[in-house]
Amino acid sequence: DTAVSQTPKYLVTQMGNDKSIKCEQNLGHDTMYWYKQDSKKFLKIMFSYNNKELIINETVPNRFSPKSPDKAHLNLHINSLELGDSAVYFCASSQDGRNGYTFGSGTRLTVV
Amino acid sequence: LAKTTQPISMDSYEGQEVNITCSHNNIATNDYITWYQQFPSQGPRFIIQGYKTKVTNEVASLFIPADRKSSTLSLPRVSLSDTAVYYCLVGSRDTGRRALTFGSGTRLQVQP
Repeated sequence: DTAVSQTPKYLVTQMGNDKSIKCEQNLGHDTMYWYKQDSKKFLKIMFSYNNKELIINETVPNRFSPKSPDKAHLNLHINSLELGDSAVYFCASSQDGRNGYTFGSGTRLTVV
Repeated sequence: LAKTTQPISMDSYEGQEVNITCSHNNIATNDYITWYQQFPSQGPRFIIQGYKTKVTNEVASLFIPADRKSSTLSLPRVSLSDTAVYYCLVGSRDTGRRALTFGSGTRLQVQP
């Protein structure tokens, strides 16, 4: 079983569309994250979600909204997609921020 | 958050030991040190974590001097499959909840 799974793996869409990326972890972790890796390969934190507390990175546009229906899921919804949103998005989880993060395999988003 | 400094890239040959050093001069008392490995088109993978002295697992060793202002990841007898980007991160349980910040990492290229 995959510990942290993301869907879809690839997503190609037009500017202005709204899309969602789903993330599920079966590790029983209580904290989940979304990271963005751009073309220069820098990994930047977007959100973390721990025990119903959402911590937002202030540099993230409000077009991005995380949704956590339960502790095992943290989905990412993006409104009005822009060309600059093209990147690889990684979901990760950890137990209370300790002992390392487990990452998913990523979702490559291409906005055309 | 403690800032980390790593070499941008390193080259090695199969069978050699590789040591990657990370500087973290303003590491806090509660901070631990974690190393990740990332292959192209994959999410980062946890390698090893430590607080002080030496930690060893089946993949690598982590050496941390007494002042904890630096750490060295040691990969014994590397193979071509160890070609990847290696990230050094420092953070506490609290910053781990809020999400750790990845630097630019060290790109290791292993040659035959």
